[in-house]
Amino acid sequence: EDKVVQSPLSLVVHEGDTVTLNCSYEVTNFRSLLWYKQEKKAPTFLFMLTSSGIEKKSGRLSSILDKKELFSILNITATQTGDSAVYLCAVTDNYGQNFVFGPGTRLSVLP
Amino acid sequence: NAGVTQTPKFQVLKTGQSMTLQCAQDMNHNSMYWYRQDPGMGLRLIYYSASEGTTDKGEVPNGYNVSRLNKREFSLRLESAAPSQTSVYFCASLEPGVAKNIQYFGAGTRLSVL
Repeated sequence: EDKVVQSPLSLVVHEGDTVTLNCSYEVTNFRSLLWYKQEKKAPTFLFMLTSSGIEKKSGRLSSILDKKELFSILNITATQTGDSAVYLCAVTDNYGQNFVFGPGTRLSVLP
Repeated sequence: NAGVTQTPKFQVLKTGQSMTLQCAQDMNHNSMYWYRQDPGMGLRLIYYSASEGTTDKGEVPNGYNVSRLNKREFSLRLESAAPSQTSVYFCASLEPGVAKNIQYFGAGTRLSVL
């Protein structure tokens, strides 16, 4: 059965800190791993990763995938209070239709 | 550019009542999904529809039915609501492609069953 595990489940930091969120997975015929940010409502897309070792970057956020060890990390540098959210990791299989989500990491950034 | 629109945003039901959650997307996507989100459990797939006229069960389909009315609309029906169905429900549609394959989500429906 496909599975996604995220750690930590909850994290509290202060503005300016750097955080690393972890996502490990088991999926038959892996196709891609996606990171989403969920504030109060709908999850919004951050990154999609399909190849090992290639970093995706957007401003202070970056992510990388290790397909051999079956995990991904999401880094946020110089955190701001606006980064407070639940960060969701999801994987898809080769058919690309079935998305399996992890439980999310709740990040709280204090001023 | 509306994206994915869900109605209603909030609903309170009594045990045994029925209701339909509506979802529409204007991005011409083929695939649509219904998820429920409970504390500490991420998003769990209820049903999905890979194309107009087809639907498939996800991880937690019991107690729900779906209808893919046309390419734009995908509705979720609770025939006889139970307290265990208290949750936040999200609809999503899929932008396919090797380089994309991204889901876009509606704003959610918060449902309480008393």
